[in-house]
Amino acid sequence: QQQVKQSPQSLIVQKGGISIINCAYENTAFDYFPWYQQFPGKGPALLIAIRPDVSEKKEGRFTISFNKSAKQFSLHIMDSQPGDSATYFCAASKGPKLQFGAGTQVVVTP
Amino acid sequence: GAVVSQHPSWVICKSGTSVKIECRSLDFQATTMFWYRQFPKKSLMLMATSNEGSKATYEQGVEKDKFLINHASLTLSTLTVTSAHPEDSSFYICSASSPSGNSYNEQFFGPGTRLTVL
Repeated sequence: QQQVKQSPQSLIVQKGGISIINCAYENTAFDYFPWYQQFPGKGPALLIAIRPDVSEKKEGRFTISFNKSAKQFSLHIMDSQPGDSATYFCAASKGPKLQFGAGTQVVVTP
Repeated sequence: GAVVSQHPSWVICKSGTSVKIECRSLDFQATTMFWYRQFPKKSLMLMATSNEGSKATYEQGVEKDKFLINHASLTLSTLTVTSAHPEDSSFYICSASSPSGNSYNEQFFGPGTRLTVL
């Protein structure tokens, strides 16, 4: 049973647009919610992470919005660039093991 | 900082042979390392968790005799795929974490190893 559900599976956005990826979880014990970016043939790289005591965290063009009551969190990529074209994974954990979402392939068109 | 390397980056082997993949934390001591497997266009699947100096903990459905994990030091873990078969072909990724610092749960991922078994 997948503990973290991610949507959409893929999305296409124009350069300069906003990419939005959503994740939902069931386990209320999760206390760490990271987002990873992965390029083809490479390992995932941590983009940004949030803990449940805050509702939003922004780092550059990347923002996590966190809704504890709804058990949902999302990644917003502002001013999307072609270099942002990659697969994005949300994850959640309580303790050392991460539970990954299924991934979202983002394509940013010029 | 927090760099994790893997070697080799890709390997092709014949069916029935064994392949060893190394995972190193280059600038920090990793008390815990993780091994993942990833199929094309799929998410990461955790295979096992290893702590330095102790036996690895394998996820359900992962054959421990098939995928041997050794975490002999705080900077090195190895995954050996024994008697490899074509169905073992996959992208193997390691990650490392350390309980020191502010981000206890943060995992730093290696670049991955592409294994192709002929």
